[in-house]
Amino acid sequence: AQKVTQAQTEISVVEKEDVTLDCVYETRDTTYYLFWYKQPPSGELVFLIRRNSFDEQNEISGRYSWNFQKSTSSFNFTITASQVVDSAVYFCALSENNYGQNFVFGPGTRLSVLP
Amino acid sequence: GAVVSQHPSRVICKSGTSVKIECRSLDFQATTMFWYRQFPKKSLMLMATSNEGSKATYEQGVEKDKFLINHASLTLSTLTVTSAHPEDSSFYICSAKGQSYEQYFGPGTRLTVT
Repeated sequence: AQKVTQAQTEISVVEKEDVTLDCVYETRDTTYYLFWYKQPPSGELVFLIRRNSFDEQNEISGRYSWNFQKSTSSFNFTITASQVVDSAVYFCALSENNYGQNFVFGPGTRLSVLP
Repeated sequence: GAVVSQHPSRVICKSGTSVKIECRSLDFQATTMFWYRQFPKKSLMLMATSNEGSKATYEQGVEKDKFLINHASLTLSTLTVTSAHPEDSSFYICSAKGQSYEQYFGPGTRLTVT
């Protein structure tokens, strides 16, 4: 069975601080896909990144970066120089295939960035 | 990017009535649509997967007679909460997938049953 754990329920940081959101996953599949989504107070999910299990390269997109470590089954997300607009709930998710089936979300981490 | 809409965005209904929520893919054909439920301050839980023209596949513990899903066309899926009760109050989110791997999520529908 697949499982996604986000141990940090809530995090508060002051603007301009860096913050890392942890994600640990469990799966028996050798091919799988990992995702991060942002859910602002409006409720709409915002896609941030998709990574397949064969691509362990870290990725940077502006202030966002992701560290994928298969050895520790982790896919952590770092926001550099956080801003108030980053305040949201962030979900890590795992899918066993390319078709969106068995899409499992983690419990989410609520990030509050204080001015 | 692809857009998925949901209607209504918010609905309040009385206990015992039925409510229909629509999920539309606006600029692509969605061969598969997913319905999720999210309780306050909780994660999203997959309720069911529907493929156009066939019966939906429900996750364990989801009552198919309670949550009726219809995926009659490649751009529309509907979720009907039948004989709604206060415990059905939740945030319902759909997602749609076309030919590519990507799932596109709708903005969600907040259902309140009084």
